[in-house]
Amino acid sequence: GAGVSQSPSNKVTEKGKDVELRCDPISGHTALYWYRQSLGQGLEFLIYFQGNSAPDKSGLPSDRFSAERTGGSVSTLTIQRTQQEDSAVYLCASSLLFADTQYFGPGTRLTVL
Amino acid sequence: GENVEQHPSTLSVQEGDSAVIKCTYSDSASNYFPWYKQELGKGPQLIIDIRSNVGEKKDQRIAVTLNKTAKHFSLHITETQPEDSAVYFCAAIESGNTPLVFGKGTRLSVIA
Repeated sequence: GAGVSQSPSNKVTEKGKDVELRCDPISGHTALYWYRQSLGQGLEFLIYFQGNSAPDKSGLPSDRFSAERTGGSVSTLTIQRTQQEDSAVYLCASSLLFADTQYFGPGTRLTVL
Repeated sequence: GENVEQHPSTLSVQEGDSAVIKCTYSDSASNYFPWYKQELGKGPQLIIDIRSNVGEKKDQRIAVTLNKTAKHFSLHITETQPEDSAVYFCAAIESGNTPLVFGKGTRLSVIA
């Protein structure tokens, strides 16, 4: 079946612009997670959505970052007023149940010039 | 909260040799331990996982062992092949309560 998909695969933007990154989870998965991976680094947790509960935003690095999940499916991660240090690969994952096995998408590589 | 440490950060082996990656965790309540493989330009892919009610699990050339007393778990890859070259991440979780906590990754290079 279809896995987790993310778009765009690559995004180049100028410092100060806003960007939106999209994640389509596996159909039927109730939980969705966003991570950030800087070059050669590990996975930095950003935010997760669990069913209809309020999202856990504890990993968001600043108030420039926000995310929403509409209709319990597609999620959008928005970064406002991008900075060069925001350059990284942004990974999305979903799981059937919360805190269960996570399946990752291919990521969006964000470059802020 | 949970803390996962992973060693080594880089590992080079000759083709055909075995590779072992080790992780330790801090939360004794953790009961689910997956391993992910990330190839260049791709997202991490689950390769094997183990739950705390078993001590070892095998899938062809890969195996994972778990020592709950010592709070560590390991990934073993036998008869390594060049296509095993990738970054491997371990993770730990108390299933149902918190998101996965990942180790910092091990870059494995298999030299032909």
